[in-house]
Amino acid sequence: SQQGEEDPQALSIQEGENATMNCSYKTSINNLQWYRQNSGRGLVHLILIRSNEREKHSGRLRVTLDTSKKSSSLLITASRAADTASYFCATDARRAGGTSYGKLTFGQGTILTVHP
Amino acid sequence: DTGVSQNPRHKITKRGQNVTFRCDPISEHNRLYWYRQTLGQGPEFLTYFQNEAQLEKSRLLSDRFSAERPKGSFSTLEIQRTEQGDSAMYLCASSLSGGLTNTEAFFGQGTRLTVV
Repeated sequence: SQQGEEDPQALSIQEGENATMNCSYKTSINNLQWYRQNSGRGLVHLILIRSNEREKHSGRLRVTLDTSKKSSSLLITASRAADTASYFCATDARRAGGTSYGKLTFGQGTILTVHP
Repeated sequence: DTGVSQNPRHKITKRGQNVTFRCDPISEHNRLYWYRQTLGQGPEFLTYFQNEAQLEKSRLLSDRFSAERPKGSFSTLEIQRTEQGDSAMYLCASSLSGGLTNTEAFFGQGTRLTVV
């Protein structure tokens, strides 16, 4: 079953605009990760944010995490046509003792289209 | 090449045949994961290994599916008596896990299976 739910399912913007994608999840986590997937290809890791972090930056990417709301957002600033891809959040769920379940659980993704 | 390698990239098989996929993880990574992805969906967890030990299998993994990771290096995923519903992209990922939580996972390009 999918734990993460991305919103929106699809996003279409013009080059230069910012793109924001949201992810909600259901259980306690150790970390949350965002991945990108170009059509028909494997997934590329973008950023990992731990449960004790609230915000993280990497280049044009900004990720926030709100564990009280069990939600995360991915912001891509100054988007480019090359950013066109599907974006997935994935959670590393936490056991009662604090250890990880060991697997990443993915949402269904947001399809981002950036028009030149 | 230091990435995750999957072979073959594409496989077309007749219903009822057996197929085997191979994954070579990043050499120092102790965890190896198998996921399945169908069109428009996020990756669904199938199974994962910590070194050579298979630690978890999804309920999605029927008796026709078996995975091995001998010697804790490469892994194989075998599907026996394939069905049309097995048509999907099969993704392998590896990560370096230590302590309580996981680090980021690195994915291969996937094996696309088509059952006709």
